[in-house]
Amino acid sequence: AQKVTQAQTEISVVEKEDVTLDCVYETRDTTYYLFWYKQPPSGELVFLIRRNSFDEQNEISGRYSWNFQKSTSSFNFTITASQVVDSAVYFCALSGPNTGNQFYFGTGTSLTVIP
Amino acid sequence: GAVVSQHPSWVICKSGTSVKIECRSLDFQATTMFWYRQFPKQSLMLMATSNEGSKATYEQGVEKDKFLINHASLTLSTLTVTSAHPEDSSFYICSAAAGVTGELFFGEGSRLTVL
Repeated sequence: AQKVTQAQTEISVVEKEDVTLDCVYETRDTTYYLFWYKQPPSGELVFLIRRNSFDEQNEISGRYSWNFQKSTSSFNFTITASQVVDSAVYFCALSGPNTGNQFYFGTGTSLTVIP
Repeated sequence: GAVVSQHPSWVICKSGTSVKIECRSLDFQATTMFWYRQFPKQSLMLMATSNEGSKATYEQGVEKDKFLINHASLTLSTLTVTSAHPEDSSFYICSAAAGVTGELFFGEGSRLTVL
């Protein structure tokens, strides 16, 4: 069974602090994809990153970085020097060729950055 | 990148009326589209998988007679909420799979309010 767990429901940080959003997944597939999406108050899902199961390299994109650890089935997301515009709900998701492209979303983490 | 457009973004209707939401893939053909429903402060729940030229596959607990899905072409899927009631008020999001990359592209979402 596919499952994504985001244990942190809500997080508040003060602007310029670093924050890490946790994501733990479960799958029996050897080939799968992991995603992070940002959902601002407007509701639209904004794609942040896609990582396939064979690529464990960590990735950095500006203030965003992702740590993929297959050994612990985790795909954590860190925002450095947070800004007010980072305030949103962040979803981690799992999909794969064996799921027919169906996405399995975590419950989301609501991040509030306080100015 | 691939674009998925949803229309309308907002809709308010009276109880008992039917509402149609359109989901279009603008620059690619999508044999499969997905419809999600999101309640406030909750994650996205998959409602159904829409396949071009065939009947949609509904998730357990989703009433297929209430949420009619039509996928008549490779670029358009529609969700019709029939005889809408206040409990149907929600945020509906569609997505489309482009190719075999495992990536989904999401529409902007449609916020339905039933009075």
